[in-house]
Amino acid sequence: QVQLQESGPGLVKPSQTLSLTCTVSGASIRSGGYYWSWIRQHPGKGLEWIGFMFYVGATYYNPSLKSRVTISVDTSRNQFSLKMSSVTAADTAMYYCARFTIATRPPYYFDYWGQGTLVTVSS
Amino acid sequence: SYEVTQPPSVSVYPGQTARITCSVDAQPKQYVYWYQQKPGQAPVLVIYKDTERPSGIPERFSGSSSGTTVTLIISGVQAEDEADYYCQSADSLATYVKFGGGTKLTVL
Repeated sequence: QVQLQESGPGLVKPSQTLSLTCTVSGASIRSGGYYWSWIRQHPGKGLEWIGFMFYVGATYYNPSLKSRVTISVDTSRNQFSLKMSSVTAADTAMYYCARFTIATRPPYYFDYWGQGTLVTVSS
Repeated sequence: SYEVTQPPSVSVYPGQTARITCSVDAQPKQYVYWYQQKPGQAPVLVIYKDTERPSGIPERFSGSSSGTTVTLIISGVQAEDEADYYCQSADSLATYVKFGGGTKLTVL
């Protein structure tokens, strides 16, 4: 059973960098056919794709966030991470990590999700 | 980028059929995927490639497609189907993903 679990600080100060990690179990990040993804959801609002990456290099970001976001993978720990710089209160949201399937090109969808972690940006 | 549009809310009585539309203005049209999200939970995929149902999803969930509009159909709606539903699309090379704004399904 594939499981994803987000971890990281629940409170970040404005202008600082938000850092989250997603630990994957039941599957290898090195397996082909998947992108490892971050999605967020502002309180009471809809889903917003942040970005994703393949375990060897290819990385894609939402253009609206691209200048502040970095996604990276640590295959030795079977983890991937999100860094978002210069955060403001507008970045307060539930952050989900998810696996995005691309194996048969298409379909393209998120098949496993973490439970999410709430990040609040406040001084 | 492109827009993915859903109605903000749909209401039906138990046993009726709920239809939630998703309009994607991308050309060529790409497949749409539907997620169900209940309060405090992560989204769950209920339909993929416009009309396909993943294993474990009840048969009352189905999808249809016509032109640039895809519809999630829930036949014989049950109280447990009350949730937010999101459609999602991606470009042909899977370099960009867009979610619709979500539709709150209320079972009256």
